[in-house]
Amino acid sequence: ELQLVESGGGLVQPGGSLRLSCAASGFTFNTHWMHWVRQVPGKGLLWVSRITSDGSETNYADSVKGRFTISRDNAKNTLYLQMNSLRVEDTAVYYCARGGWGGWFDPWGLGALVTVSS
Amino acid sequence: EIVMTQSPATLSVSPGERATLSCRASETIAGNLAWYQQRPGQAPRVLIYGASSRAPDIPARFSGSGFGTEFTLTISSLQSDDSAVYYCQQYHNWPPYTFGQGTKLEI
Repeated sequence: ELQLVESGGGLVQPGGSLRLSCAASGFTFNTHWMHWVRQVPGKGLLWVSRITSDGSETNYADSVKGRFTISRDNAKNTLYLQMNSLRVEDTAVYYCARGGWGGWFDPWGLGALVTVSS
Repeated sequence: EIVMTQSPATLSVSPGERATLSCRASETIAGNLAWYQQRPGQAPRVLIYGASSRAPDIPARFSGSGFGTEFTLTISSLQSDDSAVYYCQQYHNWPPYTFGQGTKLEI
């Protein structure tokens, strides 16, 4: 069964750091692009970052560029998102998602809540 | 950045009827559009990709159409568990991948 499970969310103070993980199973992880998408509770979806199957290329939304780093460990079937210099406006549920061959997202993980507050 | 605009914001439809949701792109995206369903408390799931191709295990009641800048998601024979927020997403010109603001469907 295809499955993505995020972990590492929690409460952090503004300016702090947090690392999210996404454990993948049920598919050949090292052949797929992976993404992070976030959602402020009650609001819409915002794409955050993308990484290619071998980790050689990454992209970021302007709002997180220079603060967030996406990476992956194909030996562990795990995707990461290192979040530094966190801001209150980064508070959201963070989903990892597998990239479809065309550019859609399927499936999605259950999400990890990140709360940035003093 | 391509801006995706969905309408209406909220749609109330009776069980058994049909719902039509719209999505407009600020510039042409060819057929590079996906639709997602997000039920309360759940993660989004893909319904449609390539503007009109149903994802695996998605019932035939869900259909997508459109090309260029105007797209439609049609849900026929509405059921109570179709109550959800529906999002469109373009993957024609990225980064960034962009989503519409969502349409809340009430049954």
